Amino acid sequence: RKEVEQDPGPFNVPEGATVAFNCTYSNSASQSFFWYRQDCRKEPKLLMSVYSSGNEDGRFTAQLNRASQYISLLIRDSKLSDSATYLCVVIPSKAAGNKLTFGGGTRVLVKP
Amino acid sequence: DAGVTQSPTHLIKTRGQQVTLRCSPISGHKSVSWYQQVLGQGPQFIFQYYEKEERGRGNFPDRFSARQFPNYSSELNVNALLLGDSALYLCASSLQGYNYGYTFGSGTRLTVV
Repeated sequence: RKEVEQDPGPFNVPEGATVAFNCTYSNSASQSFFWYRQDCRKEPKLLMSVYSSGNEDGRFTAQLNRASQYISLLIRDSKLSDSATYLCVVIPSKAAGNKLTFGGGTRVLVKP
Repeated sequence: DAGVTQSPTHLIKTRGQQVTLRCSPISGHKSVSWYQQVLGQGPQFIFQYYEKEERGRGNFPDRFSARQFPNYSSELNVNALLLGDSALYLCASSLQGYNYGYTFGSGTRLTVV
């Protein structure tokens, strides 16, 4: 089983719609969680950290469910510019130091 | 302020050759990590350095090595290149600690032929 798993998609989303997708992680001791965004042939960029209580940044909402070991990302009022691959990132444990463990990414395509 | 800078941006090498990739972190950042991203996959952790010491190593063969210099810049070396080493090599820097998000450079795209 992979440490971090994501549905690769693509999620085809009409402009203005809401899309949500999850990411599961295998290590229950995982400490930190992030969502990164990666545009085609570009570097990953931090979208948001994911906190235990859930957090929101504009149209983006991230949730953490430790009991079921998944995190989620919800995008409201999707824009064409939201088309990208969204990478789920986990830091497995304190012992892992600062190693980021990435999922394979979920591709989102927002269409007019 | 300059972000994370990597050089070169693109590189073509022949099987069996050696390659050195370079990374300069954001000013003030003391931690540098290297990742390999094969097309269609998420990045895979190769090395992490903090204060010039290796703090982590991923599941890569000994052909991969790295070091961090006193100015916190870093080099990744890959010997005896294989076709499968073709990938985007990403460098990421952070201040310290593991609850900070990382900033990635734009990467070096290595093609082995």
